[in-house]
Amino acid sequence: EVQLVESGGVVVQPGGSLRLSCAASGFTFDDYTMHWVRQAPGKGLEWVSLISWDGGSTYYADSVKGRFTISRDNSKNSLYLQMNSLRTEDTALYYCAKDTAMEPGWFDYWGQGTLVTVSS
Amino acid sequence: SYELTQPPSVSVSPGQTARITCSGDALPKKYAYWYQQKSGQAPVLVIYEDSKRPSGIPERFSGSSSGTMATLTISGAQVEDEADYYCYSTDSSGNHRGVFGGGTKLTVL
Repeated sequence: EVQLVESGGVVVQPGGSLRLSCAASGFTFDDYTMHWVRQAPGKGLEWVSLISWDGGSTYYADSVKGRFTISRDNSKNSLYLQMNSLRTEDTALYYCAKDTAMEPGWFDYWGQGTLVTVSS
Repeated sequence: SYELTQPPSVSVSPGQTARITCSGDALPKKYAYWYQQKSGQAPVLVIYEDSKRPSGIPERFSGSSSGTMATLTISGAQVEDEADYYCYSTDSSGNHRGVFGGGTKLTVL
């Protein structure tokens, strides 16, 4: 059974930093691209970033480019999102999502999310 | 930046057909995907590659795409289909960056 468990969400001040983690199980982690998707309270889904199976390719939404860094550790079956220079508009539930292939495409499984609140 | 446009809301009575549209300039070249999100839950894929249905998704869910518009159709909508529906795709520039539509709240009552 595919499981994705996010962690690391907390309350942080504007300008602060945070690292989210996603622990994956139930599939061969290094066979798949992985994504982060977020959802602000009461709002729609926003794609944030993706990383290819080997970490060699990364892509970001314009809203986070230059501030967020996606990474993965295939030896630990883990996905990460380093978030710097946080803004109040980054407040959201952050989901980790598994792609359907090695190359970037679309996602078939999601975690339950971890909540990041940026507030003074 | 690339955008996908959905109607904010659609309302039908139980047993009627619900149609949710998603428009985007790159849809003639890129597949559309549809995700269902019920209140307080993570999204679930209901249609992939414009018209394919994952295993476990009821047959009343179908998808189509023509030109710059993709459509999710729920034939004989049930009360349990009430949810937010999001289309997803990528732009045509080849950079793999994803984009969601703004979401459509489906009300079945």
